[in-house]
Amino acid sequence: KAGVTQTPRYLIKTRGQQVTLSCSPISGHRSVSWYQQTPGQGLQFLFEYFSETQRNKGNFPGRFSGRQFSNSRSEMNVSTLELGDSALYLCASSLAQVAYNEQFFGPGTRLTVL
Amino acid sequence: GNSVTQMEGPVTLSEEAFLTINCTYTATGYPSLFWYVQYPGEGLQLLLKATKADDKGSNKGFEATYRKETTSFHLEKGSVQVSDSAVYFCALRSTGANNLFFGTGTRLTVIP
Repeated sequence: KAGVTQTPRYLIKTRGQQVTLSCSPISGHRSVSWYQQTPGQGLQFLFEYFSETQRNKGNFPGRFSGRQFSNSRSEMNVSTLELGDSALYLCASSLAQVAYNEQFFGPGTRLTVL
Repeated sequence: GNSVTQMEGPVTLSEEAFLTINCTYTATGYPSLFWYVQYPGEGLQLLLKATKADDKGSNKGFEATYRKETTSFHLEKGSVQVSDSAVYFCALRSTGANNLFFGTGTRLTVIP
């Protein structure tokens, strides 16, 4: 069974640009969550999608947005990039939006903003 | 609110030494508790979990017991190996929510 895949794995952008990251969950998983990992702030929850609807959102500015497609694949978008957006962005999928379901993480997309 | 406080690292141990990484939490309701491990250049892997008080999660020689009275979920291993070198994250998921709250991570280095 294939794991969670994220593309691209590495990305370099400049301030002011926008970026789109993609996540393909494990087959059959309907919930996708996104996390940002930085040395200073650690791992922080961005948002969760379930059945194409955003179900939960962390404390991030509106420049961070996402969506989920009917095949459960998800994208997140960051507009007007800032230096502080440099981070590893992790996607996690789970079977359903049930608290006991295990979340499986992808390898992440490392975004560098210059 | 929900938060996880984790032992600061880095931790350096000799092979076959005993490992403890402390983790305490604050949560509303009855959270599920997790330990995740991150190897260099990779995402997070679930190491073990416990979903209710007094549960013991275990995997690959690692253990952690959900202690409600002390709001703790300390990670232990009796004899570490070089291959255990990684960053370990304690996390909780509160009742009714699917997102995880993580500790700051503890980097473990095991030397031969």
